[in-house]
Amino acid sequence: EAGVAQSPRYKIIEKRQSVAFWCNPISGHATLYWYQQILGQGPKLLIQFQNNGVVDDSQLPKDRFSAERLKGVDSTLKIQPAKLEDSAVYLCASGRSGDTQYFGPGTRLTVL
Amino acid sequence: GEDVEQSLFLSVREGDSSVINCTYTDSSSTYLYWYKQEPGAGLQLLTYIFSNMDMKQDQRLTVLLNKKDKHLSLRIADTQTGDSAIYFCAEKTSGTYKYIFGTGTRLKVLA
Repeated sequence: EAGVAQSPRYKIIEKRQSVAFWCNPISGHATLYWYQQILGQGPKLLIQFQNNGVVDDSQLPKDRFSAERLKGVDSTLKIQPAKLEDSAVYLCASGRSGDTQYFGPGTRLTVL
Repeated sequence: GEDVEQSLFLSVREGDSSVINCTYTDSSSTYLYWYKQEPGAGLQLLTYIFSNMDMKQDQRLTVLLNKKDKHLSLRIADTQTGDSAIYFCAEKTSGTYKYIFGTGTRLKVLA
């Protein structure tokens, strides 16, 4: 079974630029999560999808972050415009039932 | 509120046992998890325990849950250098799909 795929693996941008991350979950997994992991901290949930509907986006900074999961499979997370404090690893995870989740390798974002 | 705490560092000698501890605050947690993160990688699910269990063993890993004290531990027997990583505990609240992660414990195994 293929794991969760994410791209790109690394991204360096300047502040005020835009950036987008892509996630392809494990086949058949209805639940998809985006997390932000700042260096030295645990992952913090940004948004959670169940199929193509949003379950929880309470910690998503909606003035600059957006996410979508069209057709209930792949998902994209966008930051526009980026700030220095957005430098982090962005992790995507998926799960079948919500009792377990499996993580992708993450995208490391550096904002200069 | 929801909070998960872990000690930051643990250092052990190869072949010894490691015990990583975690405390949580949400008494309605139904599942508690241990994840391993190696440098530059995502989180790998190691094991999890349902809240009505006290203990779960899986090869070299033993999870102990003290629900009264809201304390979770992960014991790694015969620790190897390949076990060096950051270990995160996480809880999932009943009725939601929301996971709360601790800050992680960096395990260093000395040869």
